[in-house]
Amino acid sequence: TQLLEQSPQFLSIQEGENLTVYCNSSSVFSSLQWYRQEPGEGPVLLVTVVTGGEVKKLKRLTFQFGDARKDSSLHITAAQPGDTGLYLCAGAGGGSSASKIIFGSGTRLSIRP
Amino acid sequence: KAGVTQTPRYLIKTRGQQVTLSCSPISGHRSVSWYQQTPGQGLQFLFEYFSETQRNKGNFPGRFSGRQFSNSRSEMNVSTLELGDSALYLCASSLVVGANTGELFFGEGSRLTVL
Repeated sequence: TQLLEQSPQFLSIQEGENLTVYCNSSSVFSSLQWYRQEPGEGPVLLVTVVTGGEVKKLKRLTFQFGDARKDSSLHITAAQPGDTGLYLCAGAGGGSSASKIIFGSGTRLSIRP
Repeated sequence: KAGVTQTPRYLIKTRGQQVTLSCSPISGHRSVSWYQQTPGQGLQFLFEYFSETQRNKGNFPGRFSGRQFSNSRSEMNVSTLELGDSALYLCASSLVVGANTGELFFGEGSRLTVL
């Protein structure tokens, strides 16, 4: 069974600090997505990474896909209260079914003003 | 382009009742998948529809069912509601089944509370 483990589960930091969230698996994924979900809302796609070693930047957010395509990290620089939310990683194993997309358990991030 | 629309956003039911949730995907998207999200279990796959056909089903009892219409809109139904069915039900659409790249576009969800 494929699993995606996210760490930490909870993170509360002060505005302006930096943080990194990790998403790890023993399985290889053809692509990996990061989503952010705010309370009472659905997850919103932030980025897709598909190539081992790939780095993508979205303003203050930096996403990296591991060389072996088994893990990923999300780094936020100078966190702001608007970054608060549940961050989910999801790995796609290839093939053509949403049932094959594995979601991590999430990292709940809280940024204190 | 309008996003994924789910209705109703919130609903309260009692045990034993049934509920129907609706999802309108992004225009042009033909694949709709449904997920149940709870604090303890995270996001769990319910089922996936493409061209009015159920392509895959997750590990949920037969009380959970769904369908997709010719315009790609989808409904899911839960019969004989149990307290444990309280959750946020999310619908996601994609261009093709599973979108190959894994990218899903979620609606805002339907928050079901069973009393």
